[in-house]
Amino acid sequence: QVQLQESGPGLAKPSETLSLTCIVSGDSLSRNYWSWIRQPPGKGLEWIGFIFFSGNTNYNPSLKSRVTISIDTSKNQFSLKMSSVTAADTAVYYCARGGTRGRGFDSWGQGTVVTVSS
Amino acid sequence: QSVLTQPPSASETPGQRVTISCSGSSSNIGTNYVYWYQHLPGTAPKLLIHRNNQRSSGVPDRFSGSKSDTSASLVITGLRSEDEADYYCATWDDSLSGRWVFGGGTKLTVL
Repeated sequence: QVQLQESGPGLAKPSETLSLTCIVSGDSLSRNYWSWIRQPPGKGLEWIGFIFFSGNTNYNPSLKSRVTISIDTSKNQFSLKMSSVTAADTAVYYCARGGTRGRGFDSWGQGTVVTVSS
Repeated sequence: QSVLTQPPSASETPGQRVTISCSGSSSNIGTNYVYWYQHLPGTAPKLLIHRNNQRSSGVPDRFSGSKSDTSASLVITGLRSEDEADYYCATWDDSLSGRWVFGGGTKLTVL
């Protein structure tokens, strides 16, 4: 059974870069698409982007200029970098398996809280 | 403001039936599959329904999904206390170079 676990600093300063990693166990990164999704406090879910093992990516147009998703198949993990963060980026960040329109997100991590504050 | 519109809340008593709606447009629900997720705060969201009406493995048949034109619905029958959670619809949207969009979520209370 696949398991995903997010990790990274829980606090980021405004204008800095937020960095998170998702470690995957029970599945190979080479067989699926892998996504990042977030949920700001009191709000709904927002898709950030996905990556395929080949390195192909697709980002939410509203975040595209600030987001980079990368993958390391040797470590079975993928990562998120979001630059120039503001308080509006404070959220629970989830990593998930999937992202193609025909599959959706079938397994998720527990989520990690990131607060943007000076 | 979410691209997909869901009622913010719903409530019903145990054993009863509840329907959660999800309204979109021709660029999203009208042309793509709809997915439904159950989310208990502090836990990982769980995929309930994929491809409009297919239950994920292990999901009881009390849960069912449907889609018509630019709207979709999640129906839960025989409500149980453990069904109390937030429910989100999601689909791919073909506008703006393509992106996943979610509903704002419906908080279901089992009275």
